[in-house]
Amino acid sequence: QSVLTQPPSVSGAPGQRVTISCTGSSSNIGATYDVHWYQQLPGAAPKLLIYDNSNRPSGVPDRFSGSKSGTSASLAITGLQSEDEADYYCQSYDSSLSARVFGGGTKLTVL
Amino acid sequence: EVQLLGSGGGLVQPGGSLRLSCAASGFTFINYAMSWARQAPGKGLEWVSTLSGGGETTYYADSVKGRFTISRDNSKNILYLQMNSLRAEDTAVYYCARTASTLFSSFDYWGQGTLVTVSS
Repeated sequence: QSVLTQPPSVSGAPGQRVTISCTGSSSNIGATYDVHWYQQLPGAAPKLLIYDNSNRPSGVPDRFSGSKSGTSASLAITGLQSEDEADYYCQSYDSSLSARVFGGGTKLTVL
Repeated sequence: EVQLLGSGGGLVQPGGSLRLSCAASGFTFINYAMSWARQAPGKGLEWVSTLSGGGETTYYADSVKGRFTISRDNSKNILYLQMNSLRAEDTAVYYCARTASTLFSSFDYWGQGTLVTVSS
C-alpha cells in the first residue's frame, strides 16, 4: 500500500486530455512538500516530467502540466499521443516516515 | 550531458552481499546529492537511500536500514550501494539518481538500472 494513492490505470484516445491524480495526506502533500512526476516508458528508466508541483524540465512538451491543491496533486496530459503510453509516478516527501515516497504508479493506455 | 551508469547487479543467495556502483559524468558530482531507488519486478518505484554531496549525511528507507550502506567517491565521481544480509524481497532493478538537495527535490536524472536477484 503506497503512501501516495494513484489510480492503477487511465486511458484516452489520441488528441484527448487525461488527468492522473495523486492523493496524499497531511504528512506529505498536505504538509506543503513538493510533488514531482515521472514518466517510465516500457523497459526504460524513469524520467523526470514535472518538478516542484508544476514546473517542466527543459525538453518536456507543454502538453504535460502539473498542479497541487490541499492533500492532492494532478498530472494533466493534453493532445494525447501514442508515445505517451507509459507508467506515471508521483513522488513527494513524508515527514511521518522521514522518507521520500512514491505513488503506486498509473498505467496510461492510448486507445 | 548528464550520464549515470549503474553496474554491479547479479544473482546472489539470501543472506549474501553485493555492491552496486554508479559512475557519473557531465556535471559537478560533489555539488549534488545522489540517491538509489529500486523497482521490484512488475511493481512500482521505491526510494532506498540518499547521500549528500559531501558524503556527510545519509538517509535510508526503513526497509533497508542497518543492511545497506550508501557512499561515494567524489574523486572518481562514483556512487556506491553496499547491500548486506540480502533478502528475496530485495530483488529489484536498482536505479541511481541525481537530486538537487537531500530531502525534498526531485530525482532529475536517472541511470539505466542494474538488476539484483536474490535467490537460492
